[in-house]
Amino acid sequence: DIQMTQSPSSLSASVGDRLTITCRASQTINSDLNWYQQRPGTAPKLLIYGASRLQGGVPSRFSGRGSGTDFTLTIYSLEPEDFASYYCQQTYSPPFTFGPGTRVDI
Amino acid sequence: EVQLLESGGGLVQRGGSLRLSCRTSGFTFDMYGMNWVRQAPGKGLEWVSSIVGSGGSTYYADSVRGRFTISKDSAKDTVYLQMSSLRVEDTAVYYCARRGNYVAGAFDFWGQGTMVTVSS
Repeated sequence: DIQMTQSPSSLSASVGDRLTITCRASQTINSDLNWYQQRPGTAPKLLIYGASRLQGGVPSRFSGRGSGTDFTLTIYSLEPEDFASYYCQQTYSPPFTFGPGTRVDI
Repeated sequence: EVQLLESGGGLVQRGGSLRLSCRTSGFTFDMYGMNWVRQAPGKGLEWVSSIVGSGGSTYYADSVRGRFTISKDSAKDTVYLQMSSLRVEDTAVYYCARRGNYVAGAFDFWGQGTMVTVSS
């Protein structure tokens, strides 16, 4: 099974900050890496698929990069609604494992 | 508009059974794989099970294999998760999610979730 790790597990930031979250797969997953945002009490929302492709309706301040085993999610200029948890997920092969998540707090 | 609506959650005793349903609309059901993902209270997301669009292949997390069964009814555009031999650690919000038919096959639409509580 492919294991996913994320760092950091949590961070504090301010409106306007730029932040980067890192995700690493235990083996190569090509570009089959997705990022989700989850606000408290709500279902996850797809932000980035295929490592770098922005899902429709997602603001352009979100950006994804990487391939193989190492990936990043960058949020340029944090907005108040961006304070949430972020998860990476591999869909290269089942089980479609998620990373442990990164909580972004004010 | 794509919609996914879960139901069937509730309180069940350890060792009991429960069947979750996810009724879908707004897309051609048989063209998409469907998934169940769960989230224990205060914890992260855990993929549980997947079924391909044709229904011909299913996949399970090790933690539920042999106890949970995913299935689909194309006449009702509904995917199910039959859960048996439930354990306290199965307590979670269960989400159904559609797997998109494009690059990487990400989970592009999610239901609102249904809570399953397993008591000891």
